[in-house]
Amino acid sequence: QSALTQPASVSGSPGQSITISCTGTSSNVGNYELVSWYQHHPGKAPRVMIYEVTKRPSGVSDRFSGSKSGNTASLTISGLRAEDEADYHCCSFAGGRTWIFGGGTKLTVL
Amino acid sequence: EEQLLESGGGLVQPGGSLRISCAASGFTFSNYAVGWVRQAPGKGLEWVSTISYDGDTTDYADSVKGRFTIFRDNSKDTLYLQMSNLGVDDTARYYCARAGCSGTCFRPPDYWGQGTLVTVSS
Repeated sequence: QSALTQPASVSGSPGQSITISCTGTSSNVGNYELVSWYQHHPGKAPRVMIYEVTKRPSGVSDRFSGSKSGNTASLTISGLRAEDEADYHCCSFAGGRTWIFGGGTKLTVL
Repeated sequence: EEQLLESGGGLVQPGGSLRISCAASGFTFSNYAVGWVRQAPGKGLEWVSTISYDGDTTDYADSVKGRFTIFRDNSKDTLYLQMSNLGVDDTARYYCARAGCSGTCFRPPDYWGQGTLVTVSS
């Protein structure tokens, strides 16, 4: 199956808010409340920022929030900081024993 | 602290084979499904394979089916990926990842390793 669709890049200034979308189908994003978002610095271990669409693991800033509407999930980062600059990937459960990922979005903090 | 540590990556010729490993610590490995996810240079993450907590059930991406085999040794807290008939398109950093809940569960991962680099080139 094809990857979930994310914008290749987004940018924002410190203090601003940005939103990254993640579009799938009714076979994955639209069918399960099982979307996660990861912050990733290449070569390092991805870090989960949001799981089950809206939940934040302990230790993750409440500046990070998730939502979903139909086949599209979204990650919003408010009050942008320089340390938020990274790649962000979405992932959805896709049935059975499978995961499906987005193509990744590079966030630049201007 | 939950940790996953991959090893075994390297340079292999097209058509060759390689086995990579992932050593788990800081949690009860045998309680969790785990999987492999890869990232080719300049590309996004791609799910490769997953295996149930007991090793009885597996699944593979179409791109690797019939060439890759995932297996685990719960007595050694270690996950493996045996790769054969490798092609240049298999060049990627391979990450080990733990499913986001225990038991018969394959929720998206919650913990990841730092990955091991596999390069397929002549």
